[in-house]
Amino acid sequence: DAGVTQSPTHLIKTRGQQVTLRCSPKSGHDTVSWYQQALGQGPQFIFQYYEEEERQRGNFPDRFSGHQFPNYSSELNVNALLLGDSALYLCASSGNPGASGYTFGSGTRLTVV
Amino acid sequence: KNEVEQSPQNLTAQEGEFITINCSYSVGISALHWLQQHPGGGIVSLFMLSSGKKKHGRLIATINIQEKHSSLHITASHPRDSAVYICAVEQGAQKLVFGQGTRLTINP
Repeated sequence: DAGVTQSPTHLIKTRGQQVTLRCSPKSGHDTVSWYQQALGQGPQFIFQYYEEEERQRGNFPDRFSGHQFPNYSSELNVNALLLGDSALYLCASSGNPGASGYTFGSGTRLTVV
Repeated sequence: KNEVEQSPQNLTAQEGEFITINCSYSVGISALHWLQQHPGGGIVSLFMLSSGKKKHGRLIATINIQEKHSSLHITASHPRDSAVYICAVEQGAQKLVFGQGTRLTINP
């Protein structure tokens, strides 16, 4: 039973570029949440997708957008990258309404130079 | 003030010691999670609590809903327990709010 798969594992981008990160949820999970973790900090909630819709959103600018596909996989897109976007991006999947808990991916480490 | 506060931020102990990590929160929650994060970044879910106490191997987690406080205990600590331990509270429809984490180092 595969857990949560994120790709790529590492990524280096230049300021102003755009990036797409991908997440495949654990089998049986239909809800995907994205988190940003800066170095030495706890993860911060970006947004959550369920039934291909953005259900909740944290305090992140519109440069951060996402998508969920019919197979429940999800993408996180960040436009006009800033140096401050450098972080570990974590994906977590869960079953609605979440009684089964969360399964986290290993994350994508994004470095913006 | 953060909605979820952990203490201590860093903890170094000798192998075999009893470890306690504390978590206090200031918001209403539906559940509290204890998570473990290793240097590679991946997060493993240890416990999900809404009341009382849970035990898994050498790990014990407790929660006091009235006092808005939870503790994670590790008995007979081992160097392989070295990791960052994160407390996260669940609000409403599955949104997690995380503490900053406690970096635990167990020396042999």
